[in-house]
Amino acid sequence: ETGVTQTPRHLVMGMTNKKSLKCEQHLGHNAMYWYKQSAKKPLELMFVYNFKEQTENNSVPSRFSPECPNSSHLFLHLHTLQPEDSALYLCASSQVEGNTEAFFGQGTRLTVV
Amino acid sequence: AQSVTQPDIHITVSEGASLELRCNYSYGATPYLFWYVQSPGQGLQLLLKYFSGDTLVQGIKGFEAEFKRSQSSFNLRKPSVHWSDAAEYFCAVGQISGGYNKLIFGAGTRLAVHP
Repeated sequence: ETGVTQTPRHLVMGMTNKKSLKCEQHLGHNAMYWYKQSAKKPLELMFVYNFKEQTENNSVPSRFSPECPNSSHLFLHLHTLQPEDSALYLCASSQVEGNTEAFFGQGTRLTVV
Repeated sequence: AQSVTQPDIHITVSEGASLELRCNYSYGATPYLFWYVQSPGQGLQLLLKYFSGDTLVQGIKGFEAEFKRSQSSFNLRKPSVHWSDAAEYFCAVGQISGGYNKLIFGAGTRLAVHP
């Protein structure tokens, strides 16, 4: 139990589908992150929410839409994805104050067909 | 711009042998450095971190890492590897900015352990 829970663990979707990834953290943190992990590429930071406000968007295509309704929940809404979007999507959280590390969920393995 | 280099993509060691995974970083200020481990199909688990102070840091599972500013390195070591250590290891540099920890990851080193 890492304190950060992601659902679903696996997702297969067609290019015309709309789906959402969910992340919930039970650590009392106030910053949450989406990372993308593709084969043969380093982990890429996609979005950061700090106190529910989006503070970073790393040039992510608009077919990915994040939502952070409160400091414990983070969503990634997906629509009209491409096969190259197939990857492991990792959610993480951290505490804003002080020097702390990020805690990661187990990820959602996304396959776009 | 910050960057992290892990020169070894794959490493194979025998069980019981010592291990050193290399990590070099590029960062203008004092870095915050991390090592994470990822087992197949799993998320990332923090092994250890360096923020300041003693340059030799101890982590979980018997791992340690040494920060060497002169070499811009933060190599991970373990004196005796166990078969359960087979996984992918990621070095990261963190920038605390705007109230959050922005992590820049290396490409990872995949460790295989022979019995």
